[in-house]
Amino acid sequence: EPEVTQTPSHQVTQMGQEVILRCVPISNHLYFYWYRQILGQKVEFLVSFYNNEISEKSEIFDDQFSVERPDGSNFTLKIRSTKLEDSAMYFCATMSGGAINEQFFGPGTRLTVL
Amino acid sequence: AQSVTQPDIHITVSEGASLELRCNYSYGATPYLFWYVQSPGQGLQLLLKYFSGDTLVQGIKGFEAEFKRSQSSFNLRKPSVHWSDAAEYFCAVGAGGGADGLTFGKGTHLIIQP
Repeated sequence: EPEVTQTPSHQVTQMGQEVILRCVPISNHLYFYWYRQILGQKVEFLVSFYNNEISEKSEIFDDQFSVERPDGSNFTLKIRSTKLEDSAMYFCATMSGGAINEQFFGPGTRLTVL
Repeated sequence: AQSVTQPDIHITVSEGASLELRCNYSYGATPYLFWYVQSPGQGLQLLLKYFSGDTLVQGIKGFEAEFKRSQSSFNLRKPSVHWSDAAEYFCAVGAGGGADGLTFGKGTHLIIQP
């Protein structure tokens, strides 16, 4: 069964450093999402991406964040200058398309900012 | 603004007993409702979803949920739990459109007693 994959599974970085989290969507899926889950808190929507541009973003997704599909397959989330409060589990999700559908989630990347 | 409340942070159930996990939502339009399960170290797996029609929906692993518009609830049930059901369960609401992210509850941690 096709699945969403994410790399790395765990990333440790120093405050102020840039990190790139990677996601490989399910083939032929058209919609891509990033969510985050701070330890002990709820899963929060960050951004959705369709047709090579951002569709929606939450207030969490500020100028420090960016997303792209650099090679038409990977879907990346970049944090330019990490802060301690960016420490969280980051989930990628993808959806095939259509008005009503299911988002398939990857296993997540645990980001630890020291 | 939409929101999801899962009032039970932890629930402990004996193996073989029935289960009900509560979910209440606040949403301005017709809600699209989901239950996801997360096992340790894993991503979010969709258990079931409600878009329209029959208010009792069946999902995977023997789970079902009932949509009650008058109570703004979407409670998850299982008649007989198995030890493998121990996990974190998340209720989520969305608009159904591709660009829209899901709004999650804080989750309920299910513990199964032998």
